[in-house]
Amino acid sequence: AQKITQTQPGMFVQEKEAVTLDCTYDTSDQSYGLFWYKQPSSGEMIFLIYQGSYDEQNATEGRYSLNFQKARKSANLVISASQLGDSAMYFCAMRPPYNNAGNMLTFGGGTRLMVKP
Amino acid sequence: EPEVTQTPSHQVTQMGQEVILRCVPISNHLYFYWYRQILGQKVEFLVSFYNNEISEKSEIFDDQFSVERPDGSNFTLKIRSTKLEDSAMYFCAGGVLAVDGYFGPGTRLTVT
Repeated sequence: AQKITQTQPGMFVQEKEAVTLDCTYDTSDQSYGLFWYKQPSSGEMIFLIYQGSYDEQNATEGRYSLNFQKARKSANLVISASQLGDSAMYFCAMRPPYNNAGNMLTFGGGTRLMVKP
Repeated sequence: EPEVTQTPSHQVTQMGQEVILRCVPISNHLYFYWYRQILGQKVEFLVSFYNNEISEKSEIFDDQFSVERPDGSNFTLKIRSTKLEDSAMYFCAGGVLAVDGYFGPGTRLTVT
C-alpha cells in the first residue's frame, strides 16, 4: 500500500520569497510517479508538476520545482518568488507502477499556503 | 489547450434521490477516474475505468455507485440513493500515460 504524508498543515510565506512544501511517501514499489496539485479556494485541482521515480533530474515547471530525494522518500515542492495568487491548498500525490489495472492517485492531507503581501 | 469538463458545477439533492454527475474527458485520454473530496479532507480515489470497464475501485465505491461511458465521450458517475455523507466535491480525471493526471473542475454535491 502507498502512503503520502504532508506534515505542514499550514504555512506562511512572504511575497517574492521562496517556500518549500514537504512531502514524504512510503511504497515498496520501485517504479512510481509523484505529483503536486494546487487547489485554490474555488475548488479545482490544478496539476503543477510530475516526477517519475526513475527520472534522474528533478522536475521543474516555471516557478515550481520538485526536490526529489529517492533514498529519503521525499518529494518536496519548491515555489520560487511567491505570488499572492499562490495562496491555496497544495496536495502531494503518488501513482503506483503504470499498468492497465488502475493507476489511481493516493493523496496526502495537503498543506495550506498563505502568501503575505 | 483541451480541458476536462464537468457538469453541473453544483448539484443539490435530497437524501434518497439519484444523481448523475457528468464529465467530458479530453478526447485522447484512455484512462478515466472519479475522485471525491469531502469538505476539508483529502482527495480519495473512487474508481478507474479503462477499455469500457471498471479497472479498479475503492471500498468507498459500493453498490450505490456506478460509472458509464455511454457514448464514447461522456463519462458519468451515478449515485443511486444519495446519503448525507455523499456530500462532497467529485472530480473526474483522465490520462493517457502514467505521467498524466488532469482533473476536471469538480462538481460540488450537496445532499440535504
